Amino acid sequence: AQSVTQLGSHVSVSEGALVLLRCNYSSSVPPYLFWYVQYPNQGLQLLLKYTTGATLVKGINGFEAEFKKSETSFHLTKPSAHMSDAAEYFCAVSDPPSNTGKLIFGQGTTLQVKP
Amino acid sequence: EAGVAQSPRYKIIEKRQSVAFWCNPISGHATLYWYQQILGQGPKLLIQFQNNGVVDDSQLPKDRFSAERLKGVDSTLKIQPAKLEDSAVYLCASSLRGQVNTGELFFGEGSRLTVL
Repeated sequence: AQSVTQLGSHVSVSEGALVLLRCNYSSSVPPYLFWYVQYPNQGLQLLLKYTTGATLVKGINGFEAEFKKSETSFHLTKPSAHMSDAAEYFCAVSDPPSNTGKLIFGQGTTLQVKP
Repeated sequence: EAGVAQSPRYKIIEKRQSVAFWCNPISGHATLYWYQQILGQGPKLLIQFQNNGVVDDSQLPKDRFSAERLKGVDSTLKIQPAKLEDSAVYLCASSLRGQVNTGELFFGEGSRLTVL
């Protein structure tokens, strides 16, 4: 069965510092991978996704993530944090063979950005 | 383009009472999902519709939860009777038929349920 593990339920960085949110997955086949962001009292919004092709994917708001099959990881990074990045971030996996679009989410990481 | 609409945004009920949530997906989106998000956890899929047919309801507690999507457009999720552990945010999401296998979902703002 597929699963997603996000290391660290809370991450705190200073404004301008590197953001690194960790995600590891388990899947019997190469999965599709996603990062979603949730701002307070709002729905989830897609940040970026990996399906096939280039393993380094760029998303909105300066975020990027790299699919590393050997490490079963899909960590999210941003070179310089901004106060507006404070939110909850969810890593998710989808099993392509099932072709249903069903997503399995990690437990989430809350990003705090300090001035 | 209008997003996914959900109502009510907030609901407080006592245990054993019933509650219903409504969702209107983005126009033209054939696939509709209901997720349950308990505080401190990631969203968990309850049920998935393709048009008005159920694709996956394996994690829906069918003794108390029900959902329908009449006419393949908007959907209603009902809980009867509610339990304390049903306190959560209920998220509705939709996707285009052609994007089903890429997992790009569009989420509503959610309906927050508190069961006392």
